[in-house]
Amino acid sequence: AQSVTQLGSHVSVSEGALVLLRCNYSSSVPPYLFWYVQYPNQGLQLLLKYTTGATLVKGINGFEAEFKKSETSFHLTKPSAHMSDAAEYFCAVSDLGDMRFGAGTRLTVKP
Amino acid sequence: DARVTQTPRHKVTEMGQEVTMRCQPILGHNTVFWYRQTMMQGLELLAYFRNRAPLDDSGMPKDRFSAEMPDATLATLKIQPSEPRDSAVYFCASGLLTSGTSYEQYFGPGTRLTVT
Repeated sequence: AQSVTQLGSHVSVSEGALVLLRCNYSSSVPPYLFWYVQYPNQGLQLLLKYTTGATLVKGINGFEAEFKKSETSFHLTKPSAHMSDAAEYFCAVSDLGDMRFGAGTRLTVKP
Repeated sequence: DARVTQTPRHKVTEMGQEVTMRCQPILGHNTVFWYRQTMMQGLELLAYFRNRAPLDDSGMPKDRFSAEMPDATLATLKIQPSEPRDSAVYFCASGLLTSGTSYEQYFGPGTRLTVT
């Protein structure tokens, strides 16, 4: 069965600092991997996705993630945090059926 | 700008009452999901449909919850009778699954349910 583990339920960074949110997955088939962001009182919004091909995936708002099969990881990064990045971030894995979400990581950005 | 819509956005009800939540998926999407989000449990998949047929509802309490898709433009989630522990935000999401490809899900804004 597929699953994801997000390391760290809360991450705090200073404005302008590197953002690194960690995600490890488990899947019995080649995985499709996603990162979603949720702002307060809103639904989840797709940041980026990996299906096949290039392992470094770029998404919206300056975020990117790298698929590393050997490490079963799909960590999300952004070189310079902005106050508007404060939100909850979810990693997800999917086969051609449903999608399984991680527990989420709440990102706080300090001025 | 295609979006998933959900109604109502907020619902407060008393224990024992019936609650019906509605979702309009993005036109053309063939898969619809229902999720529940709470602080304690996070995001839980309740059920999902493909081409209006239920594929998996194992995450849903069968005795009180029911999910249907009367037509391709409407999905419903019903709780009868409601209990305080059902208080949560319920999200609907839709996606388009085509042969051999993955697909992302597009989420609605959610229905915040409070059962007193």
